[in-house]
Amino acid sequence: AQKVTQAQTEISVVEKEDVTLDCVYETRDTTYYLFWYKQPPSGELVFLIRRNSFDEQNEISGRYSWNFQKSTSSFNFTITASQVVDSAVYFCAAQGNTDKLIFGTGTRLQVFP
Amino acid sequence: AAGVIQSPRHLIKEKRETATLKCYPIPRHDTVYWYQQGPGQDPQFLISFYEKMQSDKGSIPDRFSAQQFSDYHSELNMSSLELGDSALYFCASSLRGNEQFFGPGTRLTVL
Repeated sequence: AQKVTQAQTEISVVEKEDVTLDCVYETRDTTYYLFWYKQPPSGELVFLIRRNSFDEQNEISGRYSWNFQKSTSSFNFTITASQVVDSAVYFCAAQGNTDKLIFGTGTRLQVFP
Repeated sequence: AAGVIQSPRHLIKEKRETATLKCYPIPRHDTVYWYQQGPGQDPQFLISFYEKMQSDKGSIPDRFSAQQFSDYHSELNMSSLELGDSALYFCASSLRGNEQFFGPGTRLTVL
C-alpha cells in the first residue's frame, strides 16, 4: 500500500514568485508511479505529470518542474514565476501494483496579483 | 482532444433514493475508474474495470454497484442514499497501465 503526505495545507504567494509544493511518499512496491494533479476552483482534476520509480530524472515543462528523489522519498513540484491562474489545489498521488491512485490531502495554492 | 464525459454534472437526491452516474471514457481507453471526493478531502478510489471486468475494488459501500458495458462506458449505481454520500464523483479512464485522465465529475447532493 502507498501513503502520500503533503504537509503544506495552504500556501499563499504573490504573482511572479517561485513556489515549491512538497510531496513525500511511502510504498513497499519496487515498481510504482508518482503523479501530480491540479484541481482548479471549477473542480476538475487536471493531470500534470507521471513518473515511474525507475526514472529519477528531473523534468521541466514550461514554468513547471518536478524533483524526484528516491533517497528522500520525495516528489516535489515547483512553479516558477507563479501566475494567478495557478491558484488551485494540487494533489500528489502514488500508484503501485494496483489500479488505485492514492492521493495526498492536497495543497491549496493561492497566487495573489 | 476528446476527454472523459460524465453525466449528469449535478444531481440532487433525497435520502434513501437511488442515483445512477454515467461515464464515457476517452475513445480507445480500455480501463475505467471511479473515485469519490468528499468536501475538502482528497479523492478516494472506489472501483475500476478493465475490458468490462472488475479490476480492482476500493472503499466502495455495498449500497453502490458499478459495471462497464460493451461500448466501454460505465455506470455507478448508488442505492439507499445517505447524507454522507454527498460528494464529487469522478470517473477516469486510461489505456491499461498508463496515466488516468479524469472527467469533470458529477456533484451529488443528498438532502
